[in-house]
Amino acid sequence: DAKTTQPNSMESNEEEPVHLPCNHSTISGTDYIHWYRQLPSQGPEYVIHGLTSNVNNRMASLAIAEDRKSSTLILHRATLRDAAVYYCILGSFSSNTGKLIFGQGTTLQVKP
Amino acid sequence: DTEVTQTPKHLVMGMTNKKSLKCEQHMGHRAMYWYKQKAKKPPELMFVYSYEKLSINESVPSRFSPECPNSSLLNLHLHALQPEDSALYLCASSQDRGRPQHFGDGTRLSIL
Repeated sequence: DAKTTQPNSMESNEEEPVHLPCNHSTISGTDYIHWYRQLPSQGPEYVIHGLTSNVNNRMASLAIAEDRKSSTLILHRATLRDAAVYYCILGSFSSNTGKLIFGQGTTLQVKP
Repeated sequence: DTEVTQTPKHLVMGMTNKKSLKCEQHMGHRAMYWYKQKAKKPPELMFVYSYEKLSINESVPSRFSPECPNSSLLNLHLHALQPEDSALYLCASSQDRGRPQHFGDGTRLSIL
C-alpha cells in the first residue's frame, strides 16, 4: 500500500484559510487521494477525495499536484469546529477492497 | 448526528466474559467495516464485509468474531479478551467497497 506523509501538527487562526499538505510520492495511477478528519470523541468523517483534477465541495477544496506526488487540503475559513486530526489516505477504486490505511495524520489547532 | 449507530457507547468487561458490539446503518450501504483505534493512534482496519460476506480479515485474533446477519447490521463478538484489547472500536459503512466511508462514534471498550 502506498504511503502518505503529513506534518504532525499545524496551527491556524479562526476565519483564516488553512492549507494542509500531504506527500505521496509512491502513488499509483489508480490511487485516489482521500481526506478524512476526526474531531475529538468522534469517529472519522469523510471530507473529500480526488484523482487528478482539483475538487471542491461544501467542506473543503483538494488541490492535486500535476505529477500527483503531493496534494493539499484547503479549508477556506477555519472555524473552531475544524480543530481535528486530518488524515490523507490513498485508495484504489479499481482494486475495490475498501481498505483505508490511516497514517498518523495532522492535528490541526484553531486559535480564536 | 452520525448515520451509523454503535451500541453500547462504553463497555467494561472481564477477560473471561463474552460480549458483543453492535453496529447499524439504514443508508442501504452494502459494505461494512470494523476498525480498532488505540489512544492517540490512527484507526486500524480489522474486517471488511461486502454484501454480507466477509471479504477482508486483517489477521485479527480469533477472540474477535465478526458477524453480518443482514445488510443493515454488523456485530463484533468478543470472547476471552486481553487488557491490550482495550480501545475504541469503530464501525463504518459505505455504498460499496472503495466508496467514501461513514463512521459511527465507536464503542469504548475497557478490559479489566
